[in-house]
Amino acid sequence: AQKITQTQPGMFVQEKEAVTLDCTYDTSDPSYGLFWYKQPSSGEMIFLIYQGSYDQQNATEGRYSLNFQKARKSANLVISASQLGDSAMYFCAMREPGITGANNLFFGTGTRLTVIP
Amino acid sequence: DAGVTQSPTHLIKTRGQQVTLRCSPKSGHDTVSWYQQALGQGPQFIFQYYEEEERQRGNFPDRFSGHQFPNYSSELNVNALLLGDSALYLCASSLASGGLTDTQYFGPGTRLTVL
Repeated sequence: AQKITQTQPGMFVQEKEAVTLDCTYDTSDPSYGLFWYKQPSSGEMIFLIYQGSYDQQNATEGRYSLNFQKARKSANLVISASQLGDSAMYFCAMREPGITGANNLFFGTGTRLTVIP
Repeated sequence: DAGVTQSPTHLIKTRGQQVTLRCSPKSGHDTVSWYQQALGQGPQFIFQYYEEEERQRGNFPDRFSGHQFPNYSSELNVNALLLGDSALYLCASSLASGGLTDTQYFGPGTRLTVL
């Protein structure tokens, strides 16, 4: 079973509008971390935002916020006031506590966001 | 503050050859993870190195091996290259003490093409 599911292969948003990128996850562990990364065409994965499973409040980082619904196992990324530079691939990822403590990331298949002028 | 660096940027090899990719972690980080990202897919975890030992391994064959040096830099080696090994190889660094909340910071990647 997929640990991270991103059902939107591509999304379009008008410049200055808000957009929500969907992410659902699957884990039986009560302790986990959720991450969103941005990958421009250059290839580098840029960290955007983190949400811990025990965090009481939704995470926010500037124009990025995470809509965390634990019971639904969803962690949607909301980008407010979209800018042309936001056009990129966006990946949702999860980390579970590993036996060895390695805590590697499991990634979804990504959503390509295109911001329209 | 230097971020994660990787070399080379691009590489072209033929089937059956061997390749070595290099990674220098972000300043202050002691843990290096390697990921393979095939075209149109999300990154897949290969393995992680900490204290010069392989700490955890993903579902990759033994043709994939690695090493971490005392200065925390790391190498990824792939033997007997297959066409399917063509991908973007990403290195990420982090702090072992960070646990679940620790963020992995990625380098720009090495794009490997196997002909």
